[in-house]
Formats: sequence, structure tokens, C-alpha cells
Amino acid sequence: GAVVSQHPSWVICKSGTSVKIECRSLDFQATTMFWYRQFPKQSLMLMATSNEGSKATYEQGVEKDKFLINHASLTLSTLTVTSAHPEDSSFYICSARALAGLADTQYFGPGTRLTVL
Amino acid sequence: KNEVEQSPQNLTAQEGEFITINCSYSVGISALHWLQQHPGGGIVSLFMLSSGKKKHGRLIATINIQEKHSSLHITASHPRDSAVYICAAERNYGGSQGNLIFGKGTKLSVKP
Repeated sequence: GAVVSQHPSWVICKSGTSVKIECRSLDFQATTMFWYRQFPKQSLMLMATSNEGSKATYEQGVEKDKFLINHASLTLSTLTVTSAHPEDSSFYICSARALAGLADTQYFGPGTRLTVL
Repeated sequence: KNEVEQSPQNLTAQEGEFITINCSYSVGISALHWLQQHPGGGIVSLFMLSSGKKKHGRLIATINIQEKHSSLHITASHPRDSAVYICAAERNYGGSQGNLIFGKGTKLSVKP
């Protein structure tokens, strides 16, 4: 089946630093990748939709200058949390939608747990 | 009121029991997803439905578009089914295909 990986799986950083999270579709091409955030005991919330070769579309309330998204190829999207603060500590999950040949659904990555000290 | 509501929030069952988790939504959708999230956080997509019923192993998902309601059933439940089950509505409006609105999840614990 389709596999989506995320790297790193967890990261601890100091306040003020930037953290990059990678999302890769390992065995299929993804036209669209989605970035979600999940705070403890809460639902996943969509942060942004990333299309290969174009600017990401951010959900209301998500700062595009703080959460930089780059979708450089059909298999890789990156989320950079700039100048991270403790309130950015969360579980970040990406998903990828297949280009063709696979069931039309979203395939989720395993998530990245970010802790900002 | 949340756009996607799940019930129950928590569910404890004995091994072998038949389990039902319900999901109601209030938005127009192109599809309804059922996801499974294990304690480590990783998410697995179980079903994507736009009508009718789908079955995969011991899992069955149904949807009633008119009533805006979906159910996830687990037959012959097993402790390894213990996880959080999440219902997600895929919104249906121009330019935003694929955006999901998530329910809060149902935490299932199956006791041996």
C-alpha cells in the first residue's frame, strides 16, 4: 500500500529556533499534500494545503510567515516552523493525495511531535 | 456545535463484542473518512465513503447521505483494535477538494 513518511518523528528545540519537518510519499506521486496539527486531546486541524509547484493555501488563523511550506516535488513537502515558541508544541501530521493509480484517498504520515522549550 | 460530531467519546468493550461508532456531520461533503489513530499518534486511513457501505475484514463502514450520518462497525472485537477512531468529512466546495474536518474521535478500549 501507499506509504507516507515524516522526518523527524520527534524533535525538541529551544524557543526562537526554526524546525523543518519533511513529508515524503515513498511509492507514489502526490499532487496535493496536507499539513495538520493536533494538540493534546483535540481533533486534528488542517493548517494548509500544499500543491506541487505552487504556493500553499493556509487555513484561517494559520500564519503563513510562521509556518513555511514548500512542495518542491511530487514526493516531498516540507513544513518549517520559524522562530518556534512553546505554544507551537504539538503533533504535526501530513497526508498526501495520490496523483493516479491508487484509491482516491489521503495517506497519512506517522506524525512529528514537536516540543519547544 | 461542531461540524462533525462523533459518539460515543469513549467506549470500553469486551473482546468479541460487536462495536458501533457513530458520526454525524452538518456540512456538504464529497466523502466521509474513517481513520484509526494508535497511541503513538500514527494515523491509518480505514475507509473513504461517498455512499452505501464498505467492508474490510472485520470492519464495516456505512453512510446515509440524506441523514448525514455514518457508522463504523467492528465485528468480533479484539484488544488490538484498541485505538482512537476518527471520522472526517471531506468538504465539497470549489478549490478545496480534499480538506478534511475531523471529529474529536472515539477512544476504544477492548479488554481481553
